[in-house]
Amino acid sequence: EAGVAQSPRYKIIEKRQSVAFWCNPISGHATLYWYQQILGQGPKLLIQFQNNGVVDDSQLPKDRFSAERLKGVDSTLKIQPAKLEDSAVYLCASSFEGRNTEAFFGQGTRLTVV
Amino acid sequence: DQQVKQNSPSLSVQEGRISILNCDYTNSMFDYFLWYKKYPAEGPTFLISISSIKDKNEDGRFTVFLNKSAKHLSLHIVPSQPGDSAVYFCAALEGSTLGRLYFGRGTQLTVWP
Repeated sequence: EAGVAQSPRYKIIEKRQSVAFWCNPISGHATLYWYQQILGQGPKLLIQFQNNGVVDDSQLPKDRFSAERLKGVDSTLKIQPAKLEDSAVYLCASSFEGRNTEAFFGQGTRLTVV
Repeated sequence: DQQVKQNSPSLSVQEGRISILNCDYTNSMFDYFLWYKKYPAEGPTFLISISSIKDKNEDGRFTVFLNKSAKHLSLHIVPSQPGDSAVYFCAALEGSTLGRLYFGRGTQLTVWP
């Protein structure tokens, strides 16, 4: 069974630039999550999708972050414009029908904003 | 506000000995707890979990203990192996398995030969 795929693995951008991350969840998983993990901290949920609808985006900084999940499969997370404090690993995860106890994580995208 | 706390950023243990990783939480509404293991350049992977109605759950070398009155849980690894060297995250769910996961900061475990 293929795991959660993310790209790119690494990205370096200057502040005020924009960046996008891509995630392909495990086949059949209706629920998709984006987490932000800042160095030295645990992952923090940014947004949760159920199919192509948003379930929880209460911790997403909506002035600069956006995410979409067209057709209920792949998802993209965008930051525009980026700030230095956005430097982090962005983790995508998926689960079957929203069961957080059975979520599988991708390898993550490490973003460095300089 | 950190609702799940792992106060030890690192732990070093000799191979064959017991590793004990600790986790405290502040939200009494948490009713499901999980431990994740993370190797460098990889995403976290699920290790073991426990429901709040239990005080112990065992899976091979891994045992999780829950003390609800103290709002404390611990992960015991016996015997520890070099391949166990990783960052271990404690996480908690509020309400149900469909709730949001709250993670601690993680503890880096190093098992030396």
